[in-house]
Amino acid sequence: DIQMTQSPSSLSASLGDRVTITCRASQSISTYLNWYQQKPGKAPKLLIYAASSLQSGVPSRFSGSGSGTDFTLTISSLQREDFATYYCQQGYSNPFTFGPGTKVDIK
Amino acid sequence: QLQLQESGPGLVKPSETLSLTCTVSGGSISSSSYHWGWLRQPPGKGLEWIGSFYYTGRTYYNPSLKSRVTISVGTSKNQFSLKLSSVTAADTAVYYCATTFGDPSYFDSWGQGTLVTVSS
Repeated sequence: DIQMTQSPSSLSASLGDRVTITCRASQSISTYLNWYQQKPGKAPKLLIYAASSLQSGVPSRFSGSGSGTDFTLTISSLQREDFATYYCQQGYSNPFTFGPGTKVDIK
Repeated sequence: QLQLQESGPGLVKPSETLSLTCTVSGGSISSSSYHWGWLRQPPGKGLEWIGSFYYTGRTYYNPSLKSRVTISVGTSKNQFSLKLSSVTAADTAVYYCATTFGDPSYFDSWGQGTLVTVSS
């Protein structure tokens, strides 16, 4: 199985901050990397697919980059509704696997 | 707009079979445009992909669960189901059904999730 790691595991940030979350795969996954946002008690929401493609309806302050084994999710200016847990997921091979998550909370 | 809704027992006894149904509205599970899947999330933990299927009947499962999982088209129109046999407390989780339009490597629509507890 491809192992996914994320850093940091949690972070505290202020409104308006630029936030970057890193995801690393245990082997190359090309650009088969997706990002989800999850709020407590809710289902995950797809933000970014194929490493850098913004899902329809997702604000443009979210962006993704990377290829191979190293990827980043960036929130350019943190808004109140962005406080949540973020997961990366590889779709390169079976089984699809997720990172452990990064919790973003208010400083 | 595509909507998914999970349903099934919230409590299952150890060693029994967990059975859930996902009802789809706003789209057809027989459409060649969609892949359909199940995922789960133990309380306070991360996400795990269980398996997916395509309208042609092709299924693919997480190898860690493959011996216990069956995903299939439901008995009623526009439903698909999950069966997980020989459950233990480790199978306690929120179970989600989800779908992808086109690319099967991610999930762009999710149900709200249903908590299944395995306990005697």
